[in-house]
Amino acid sequence: GENVEQHPSTLSVQEGDSAVIKCTYSDSASNYFPWYKQELGKGPQLIIDIRSNVGEKKDQRIAVTLNKTAKHFSLHITETQPEDSAVYFCAKQFNNDMRFGAGTRLTVKP
Amino acid sequence: DTAVSQTPKYLVTQMGNDKSIKCEQNLGHDTMYWYKQDSKKFLKIMFSYNNKELIINETVPNRFSPKSPDKAHLNLHINSLELGDSAVYFCASSRPPNYGYTFGSGTRLTVV
Repeated sequence: GENVEQHPSTLSVQEGDSAVIKCTYSDSASNYFPWYKQELGKGPQLIIDIRSNVGEKKDQRIAVTLNKTAKHFSLHITETQPEDSAVYFCAKQFNNDMRFGAGTRLTVKP
Repeated sequence: DTAVSQTPKYLVTQMGNDKSIKCEQNLGHDTMYWYKQDSKKFLKIMFSYNNKELIINETVPNRFSPKSPDKAHLNLHINSLELGDSAVYFCASSRPPNYGYTFGSGTRLTVV
Protein backbone atom coordinates (compact mmCIF):
# COMPACT_ATOMS: atom_id res chain seq x y z
CA GLY A 1 0.00 0.00 0.00
CA GLU A 2 2.93 2.36 0.38
CA ASN A 3 4.15 2.35 -3.24
CA VAL A 4 3.38 4.80 -6.00
CA GLU A 5 3.62 3.72 -9.64
CA GLN A 6 4.65 6.47 -12.06
CA HIS A 7 4.46 6.45 -15.88
CA PRO A 8 6.08 7.07 -18.24
CA SER A 9 9.71 6.85 -17.10
CA THR A 10 10.81 9.10 -19.98
CA LEU A 11 8.83 11.60 -22.03
CA SER A 12 10.00 13.70 -24.95
CA VAL A 13 7.81 16.47 -26.39
CA GLN A 14 8.19 19.33 -28.80
CA GLU A 15 8.21 22.85 -27.38
CA GLY A 16 4.67 24.12 -27.15
CA ASP A 17 3.10 20.67 -26.82
CA SER A 18 1.48 19.32 -23.66
CA ALA A 19 2.98 16.71 -21.33
CA VAL A 20 1.07 14.37 -19.03
CA ILE A 21 2.54 12.19 -16.28
CA LYS A 22 0.37 9.72 -14.38
CA CYS A 23 0.70 8.05 -11.00
CA THR A 24 -1.32 5.31 -9.38
CA TYR A 25 -1.48 4.08 -5.80
CA SER A 26 -3.24 1.31 -3.91
CA ASP A 27 -4.06 2.41 -0.37
CA SER A 28 -7.12 4.48 0.50
CA ALA A 29 -5.71 6.45 3.42
CA SER A 30 -3.61 8.94 1.43
CA ASN A 31 -5.09 12.43 1.15
CA TYR A 32 -2.14 14.56 0.06
CA PHE A 33 -0.50 14.27 -3.36
CA PRO A 34 2.39 16.58 -4.28
CA TRP A 35 4.49 16.84 -7.41
CA TYR A 36 8.17 17.71 -7.44
CA LYS A 37 10.53 18.92 -10.16
CA GLN A 38 14.21 18.06 -9.96
CA GLU A 39 16.65 19.90 -12.17
CA LEU A 40 20.18 18.67 -12.76
CA GLY A 41 22.36 18.98 -9.69
CA LYS A 42 19.55 20.25 -7.49
CA GLY A 43 17.14 18.89 -4.93
CA PRO A 44 13.49 18.16 -5.76
CA GLN A 45 11.29 21.26 -5.61
CA LEU A 46 7.57 21.24 -4.86
CA ILE A 47 5.69 22.62 -7.88
CA ILE A 48 2.07 21.79 -7.13
CA ASP A 49 0.03 19.66 -4.76
CA ILE A 50 -3.53 18.50 -4.34
CA ARG A 51 -5.58 17.29 -1.41
CA SER A 52 -8.24 14.64 -1.60
CA ASN A 53 -11.15 17.02 -1.16
CA VAL A 54 -10.61 18.50 -4.65
CA GLY A 55 -10.40 16.94 -8.09
CA GLU A 56 -8.25 19.46 -9.93
CA LYS A 57 -5.87 22.29 -9.21
CA LYS A 58 -4.18 24.69 -11.64
CA ASP A 59 -1.23 27.02 -11.39
CA GLN A 60 -0.49 28.83 -14.66
CA ARG A 61 0.77 26.17 -17.12
CA ILE A 62 0.67 23.25 -14.70
CA ALA A 63 -2.32 21.39 -13.35
CA VAL A 64 -2.90 18.29 -11.28
CA THR A 65 -5.97 16.06 -11.39
CA LEU A 66 -6.97 13.49 -8.80
CA ASN A 67 -9.33 10.57 -9.13
CA LYS A 68 -9.66 9.04 -5.66
CA THR A 69 -12.05 6.35 -6.81
CA ALA A 70 -9.63 5.08 -9.43
CA LYS A 71 -6.63 5.92 -7.21
CA HIS A 72 -4.66 7.87 -9.75
CA PHE A 73 -3.44 11.42 -10.12
CA SER A 74 -1.80 13.19 -13.02
CA LEU A 75 0.41 16.17 -13.77
CA HIS A 76 -0.41 18.21 -16.86
CA ILE A 77 2.01 20.75 -18.32
CA THR A 78 0.72 22.88 -21.19
CA GLU A 79 2.70 24.99 -23.66
CA THR A 80 5.91 23.26 -22.64
CA GLN A 81 9.17 25.19 -22.74
CA PRO A 82 12.80 23.96 -22.77
CA GLU A 83 13.17 25.03 -19.13
CA ASP A 84 10.48 22.49 -18.21
CA SER A 85 13.04 19.77 -18.98
CA ALA A 86 13.74 17.97 -15.68
CA VAL A 87 12.86 14.86 -13.71
CA TYR A 88 9.36 14.99 -12.23
CA PHE A 89 8.28 12.97 -9.19
CA CYS A 90 4.82 12.29 -7.90
CA ALA A 91 4.45 11.46 -4.22
CA LYS A 92 1.87 10.63 -1.61
CA GLN A 93 1.77 10.91 2.12
CA PHE A 94 2.29 7.57 3.81
CA ASN A 95 2.00 7.58 7.61
CA ASN A 96 4.64 10.04 8.75
CA ASP A 97 6.59 10.49 5.54
CA MET A 98 6.32 10.87 1.80
CA ARG A 99 6.66 8.02 -0.68
CA PHE A 100 7.85 8.93 -4.15
CA GLY A 101 7.25 7.55 -7.61
CA ALA A 102 10.26 6.44 -9.64
CA GLY A 103 10.38 9.71 -11.61
CA THR A 104 9.75 10.82 -15.20
CA ARG A 105 12.52 12.41 -17.21
CA LEU A 106 10.85 15.07 -19.36
CA THR A 107 12.73 16.48 -22.32
CA VAL A 108 11.29 19.46 -24.18
CA LYS A 109 12.86 19.88 -27.61
CA PRO A 110 13.14 23.44 -28.92
CA ASP B 1 18.71 32.81 2.64
CA THR B 2 18.95 29.10 1.99
CA ALA B 3 15.96 27.31 3.51
CA VAL B 4 17.53 23.83 3.84
CA SER B 5 21.30 23.72 3.60
CA GLN B 6 23.49 20.63 3.50
CA THR B 7 27.24 20.35 3.72
CA PRO B 8 29.33 19.19 2.06
CA LYS B 9 27.92 19.22 -1.48
CA TYR B 10 30.45 16.63 -2.65
CA LEU B 11 32.19 13.96 -0.60
CA VAL B 12 34.71 11.50 -2.00
CA THR B 13 36.14 9.01 0.46
CA GLN B 14 37.69 5.58 0.70
CA MET B 15 35.95 2.40 1.77
CA GLY B 16 36.03 1.86 5.50
CA ASN B 17 36.15 5.54 6.42
CA ASP B 18 33.64 7.33 8.66
CA LYS B 19 31.99 10.52 7.40
CA SER B 20 29.27 12.97 8.39
CA ILE B 21 26.81 15.10 6.43
CA LYS B 22 25.25 18.12 8.09
CA CYS B 23 21.82 19.63 7.51
CA GLU B 24 20.22 22.79 8.82
CA GLN B 25 16.82 24.37 8.11
CA ASN B 26 15.71 27.91 8.91
CA LEU B 27 12.03 27.42 8.10
CA GLY B 28 10.88 26.65 11.62
CA HIS B 29 9.66 23.22 10.48
CA ASP B 30 9.11 20.52 13.07
CA THR B 31 10.13 17.52 11.01
CA MET B 32 13.33 16.70 9.13
CA TYR B 33 14.21 13.78 6.89
CA TRP B 34 17.07 12.04 5.17
CA TYR B 35 16.45 10.53 1.74
CA LYS B 36 18.83 8.51 -0.43
CA GLN B 37 18.69 8.91 -4.21
CA ASP B 38 20.35 6.14 -6.20
CA SER B 39 21.80 6.27 -9.70
CA LYS B 40 18.35 5.61 -11.19
CA LYS B 41 16.97 8.69 -9.38
CA PHE B 42 14.81 6.66 -6.99
CA LEU B 43 14.17 8.56 -3.73
CA LYS B 44 14.02 6.36 -0.62
CA ILE B 45 13.27 7.52 2.91
CA MET B 46 15.96 6.69 5.46
CA PHE B 47 15.08 8.59 8.62
CA SER B 48 12.57 11.06 9.94
CA TYR B 49 12.83 13.21 13.06
CA ASN B 50 10.08 15.25 14.66
CA ASN B 51 11.19 17.81 17.24
CA LYS B 52 14.49 15.98 17.77
CA GLU B 53 12.81 12.59 18.19
CA LEU B 54 13.26 9.72 15.76
CA ILE B 55 9.92 8.70 14.24
CA ILE B 56 11.00 6.74 11.18
CA ASN B 57 13.93 4.43 10.76
CA GLU B 58 13.58 2.48 7.55
CA THR B 59 15.61 -0.61 6.84
CA VAL B 60 18.94 1.15 6.93
CA PRO B 61 22.20 -0.50 8.09
CA ASN B 62 23.31 0.30 11.63
CA ARG B 63 26.33 2.02 10.11
CA PHE B 64 24.03 5.00 9.46
CA SER B 65 23.27 7.04 12.56
CA PRO B 66 21.26 10.26 12.48
CA LYS B 67 21.62 12.88 15.17
CA SER B 68 19.34 15.83 15.83
CA PRO B 69 20.81 18.27 18.39
CA ASP B 70 17.80 20.57 17.94
CA LYS B 71 14.80 20.74 15.62
CA ALA B 72 16.67 22.89 13.09
CA HIS B 73 19.49 20.39 12.58
CA LEU B 74 19.65 16.78 11.46
CA ASN B 75 23.08 15.31 10.78
CA LEU B 76 23.89 11.94 9.26
CA HIS B 77 26.94 9.98 10.34
CA ILE B 78 28.06 6.95 8.36
CA ASN B 79 30.57 4.41 9.71
CA SER B 80 32.68 1.96 7.72
CA LEU B 81 31.62 3.28 4.34
CA GLU B 82 30.97 0.75 1.58
CA LEU B 83 30.93 1.08 -2.22
CA GLY B 84 27.15 0.63 -2.20
CA ASP B 85 26.73 3.75 -0.07
CA SER B 86 27.62 5.89 -3.09
CA ALA B 87 24.54 7.99 -3.87
CA VAL B 88 23.11 11.47 -3.45
CA TYR B 89 21.74 12.10 0.04
CA PHE B 90 19.01 14.69 0.48
CA CYS B 91 17.92 16.37 3.65
CA ALA B 92 14.36 17.76 3.74
CA SER B 93 12.04 19.44 6.20
CA SER B 94 8.29 19.92 6.51
CA ARG B 95 5.42 20.91 8.76
CA PRO B 96 3.64 17.59 9.22
CA PRO B 97 1.25 16.18 8.39
CA ASN B 98 0.31 16.51 4.78
CA TYR B 99 2.53 19.37 3.77
CA GLY B 100 5.10 19.60 1.03
CA TYR B 101 8.75 19.04 1.74
CA THR B 102 11.57 21.53 1.23
CA PHE B 103 14.69 19.73 0.09
CA GLY B 104 18.32 20.67 0.39
CA SER B 105 20.54 20.64 -2.69
CA GLY B 106 21.97 17.23 -1.89
CA THR B 107 25.32 15.69 -0.96
CA ARG B 108 26.90 13.48 -3.61
CA LEU B 109 28.80 10.77 -1.77
CA THR B 110 31.31 8.70 -3.74
CA VAL B 111 33.00 5.80 -2.02
CA VAL B 112 36.12 4.53 -3.79
